[in-house]
Amino acid sequence: DQQVKQNSPSLSVQEGRISILNCDYTNSMFDYFLWYKKYPAEGPTFLISISSIKDKNEDGRFTVFLNKSAKHLSLHIVPSQPGDSAVYFCTKNQGGKLIFGQGTELSVKP
Amino acid sequence: DTAVSQTPKYLVTQMGNDKSIKCEQNLGHDTMYWYKQDSKKFLKIMFSYNNKELIINETVPNRFSPKSPDKAHLNLHINSLELGDSAVYFCASSYPGQGAGEAFFGQGTRLTVV
Repeated sequence: DQQVKQNSPSLSVQEGRISILNCDYTNSMFDYFLWYKKYPAEGPTFLISISSIKDKNEDGRFTVFLNKSAKHLSLHIVPSQPGDSAVYFCTKNQGGKLIFGQGTELSVKP
Repeated sequence: DTAVSQTPKYLVTQMGNDKSIKCEQNLGHDTMYWYKQDSKKFLKIMFSYNNKELIINETVPNRFSPKSPDKAHLNLHINSLELGDSAVYFCASSYPGQGAGEAFFGQGTRLTVV
């Protein structure tokens, strides 16, 4: 039972444009959703989160939107930079347990 | 100054062997975890310890035994290694009740069983 789904395994964007990474979930029980970024041969690093009671959280170039009625969230990166190229994981915090989506590999081309 | 460090980074071993992966965190967190990333890149929780006490055990074969000598260390012992155990294992730590409960991850240990 895959509770967190990232249906796009990869995304390619031009530098300076907006990157939009999408995530769907099935079980509405959660405290937070988090986005993690992972470079090859490194561990995931925390990027941004959103509480279940909010619909938007912004931190610099990164904004996460939560649509509870659609059970959907998205991460917007604007403007995208080549250093943003990594795998992004949508992650649900359910009672202290992190449940990861399968990841979307973002490639930002100069 | 590494926050969560795990050793070794790479581990190649034969089927049937017993091996250990060590993890240490200097963040003062109460909770530590082991996650496994399989060949399909899914990251799944295996174990969670809070102050040396086992909190989460996600139907992992009992060949896998975590050991927490103190709240800053969580080691993973694997007995009778099988080919299917080949994966990347990540250690992590957090304050689960603080903020979004974000966990900080180590760099991973790539285990290859041949």
